[in-house]
Amino acid sequence: NAGVMQNPRHLVRRRGQEARLRCSPMKGHSHVYWYRQLPEEGLKFMVYLQKENIIDESGMPKERFSAEFPKEGPSILRIQQVVRGDSAAYFCASSMRQGNTDTQYFGPGTRLTVL
Amino acid sequence: AQSVTQLDSHVSVSEGTPVLLRCNYSSSYSPSLFWYVQHPNKGLQLLLKYTSAATLVKGINGFEAEFKKSETSFHLTKPSAHMSDAAEYFCVVSTTSGTYKYIFGTGTRLKVLA
Repeated sequence: NAGVMQNPRHLVRRRGQEARLRCSPMKGHSHVYWYRQLPEEGLKFMVYLQKENIIDESGMPKERFSAEFPKEGPSILRIQQVVRGDSAAYFCASSMRQGNTDTQYFGPGTRLTVL
Repeated sequence: AQSVTQLDSHVSVSEGTPVLLRCNYSSSYSPSLFWYVQHPNKGLQLLLKYTSAATLVKGINGFEAEFKKSETSFHLTKPSAHMSDAAEYFCVVSTTSGTYKYIFGTGTRLKVLA
């Protein structure tokens, strides 16, 4: 059973470009979470999605960031008009059910560098 | 609201000596608590989790943690450190309602000296 997959693993963008990060959850998992890790910091929650629904986006910046989890295909985190402060590692996690006892399984992350 | 505090940002131990990484939590309800490890430039791997069953939780690679409600602590221990344990360790609490998102501590970087 493949784990959570994220691609690309490394992404370099110039200021003003768009960044598109993909996450394929573990097989059988329908809950996806995105977290951001700034250098030398812990992970911070961004958004929680189920298939075709954004359930909680309270951690997402109000502008330039969006996320989706379509019926078919991976979850996408999109950052428009990137700025240097967006440089970070972005981790996706998936879980089978929703509940505070359920484990979230993390992907290897996408490391975004904005030049 | 839930929160976790990792009391040490860096811990150094000699190979073969015990490891203690400290974590305190704040939660209005019975929390679910996790420890994850992150090796350099890698993803996060679950070490262990507490979900209101046994208070002493055994995890992978010889790690264990004890949930102490009276002290609101969930410290991570290992009897004998190995060089391969050098990594960043995160204590995590899951919110008890709503979306059950994770709240991470700021991390403890463990250094193992030969």
